[in-house]
Amino acid sequence: ILNVEQSPQSLHVQEGDSTNFTCSFPSSNFYALHWYRWETAKSPEALFVMTLNGDEKKKGRISATLNTKEGYSYLYIKGSQPEDSATYLCAFIYSSASKIIFGSGTRLSIRP
Amino acid sequence: GAVVSQHPSWVICKSGTSVKIECRSLDFQATTMFWYRQFPKQSLMLMATSNEGSKATYEQGVEKDKFLINHASLTLSTLTVTSAHPEDSSFYICSASRGQGGTQETQYFGPGTRLLVL
Repeated sequence: ILNVEQSPQSLHVQEGDSTNFTCSFPSSNFYALHWYRWETAKSPEALFVMTLNGDEKKKGRISATLNTKEGYSYLYIKGSQPEDSATYLCAFIYSSASKIIFGSGTRLSIRP
Repeated sequence: GAVVSQHPSWVICKSGTSVKIECRSLDFQATTMFWYRQFPKQSLMLMATSNEGSKATYEQGVEKDKFLINHASLTLSTLTVTSAHPEDSSFYICSASRGQGGTQETQYFGPGTRLLVL
């Protein structure tokens, strides 16, 4: 059974601090990795679509890296702000894009 | 852009009744729509993928006769939970993508529907 794990499950960070968390996935049959941000009572919002080993993507203060050979992706948030509080989900796409597995998410809380 | 709505947001029904959930792409044409289910403290689980005008593709273990999916137009997909039972109580969420590239396309999610079957 394929497994996608996100760690930590939850994280409390002081406003202004930088943080990062991990998505681990199987290193075989990789096709793509997605990151989503899911704020409470809202729809999940797409952050990044990553496809190539070594990919680095950036959107404002948020960036992500991808290592398909060892099966992990990091999401970084620089200078955390209260509006960054959300659950961050990764999704592993494999088998020629026909299958998708979501991780359980990392719940990030920013303390003012 | 790329807004997806879902209706209703909450539904409580009696065991044995059927419940229909609508998923609409408001400002784009959704070639592909996806339906997910999330049980408490678990991750989103893909139930089925549907393309406009064709039959949905269900994931292993998802009963197609129980979870009827209709993708009648490029902006609307519906999920009907037939003869709902308490074990069907869950959070159901849809997403839509513009392309035909399957799950690797960026997905735009609705806000979800919480179903409680008494």
